[in-house]
Amino acid sequence: NAGVTQTPKFQVLKTGQSMTLQCAQDMNHEYMSWYRQDPGMGLRLIHYSVGAGITDQGEVPNGYNVSRSTTEDFPLRLLSAAPSQTSVYFCASSSAQRGSTDTQYFGPGTRLTVL
Amino acid sequence: EDQVTQSPEALRLQEGESSSLNCSYTVSGLRGLFWYRQDPGKGPEFLFTLYSAGEEKEKERLKATLTKKESFLHITAPKPEDSATYLCAVSQAGNNRKLIWGLGTSLAVNP
Repeated sequence: NAGVTQTPKFQVLKTGQSMTLQCAQDMNHEYMSWYRQDPGMGLRLIHYSVGAGITDQGEVPNGYNVSRSTTEDFPLRLLSAAPSQTSVYFCASSSAQRGSTDTQYFGPGTRLTVL
Repeated sequence: EDQVTQSPEALRLQEGESSSLNCSYTVSGLRGLFWYRQDPGKGPEFLFTLYSAGEEKEKERLKATLTKKESFLHITAPKPEDSATYLCAVSQAGNNRKLIWGLGTSLAVNP
């Protein structure tokens, strides 16, 4: 059981470039989410999904796109990177089954720098 | 406004010196309160979930408690390996997948 995996671990982009941060989980969790973590700001929700084909915006969605074609994968796309998107990105997942604890499990993170 | 406040921001202890971290919250309709541990360069690691006032959970040297307004994470006889940032988050009834996060307490335990 690998849990939640994220790739890459580190990435440097130039302003205007695009890229996709990958996230996968092998726990058959329905709920997946993307957060960014910045000093002094804490964890902020970018986008989330309650199941394949269903996504919704979180607290700070601008500049990011997501899709959920399978239960396992939840990629985060930056279409035109900006320096303000320099951050550490975490993917998380949790079960949405009745009676589950709704505890979210996190991946190891991707550290992104936009120059 | 719904918010979670953690105190202190930073805490330095000597090995074996017990202490408590505080997480106070003002949210409408608390569903659950979560404690996580985060090591530098890693993702948050789940520790505890508490659902009702009076509930307590323990794991090794850590014990989490919950009241109607706050939660405490008690650390008994800490060791250097307990050094980390401890994060608190709450979920609300009817919106249980969106968490409101505190900024964390950075704990350093000196040998």
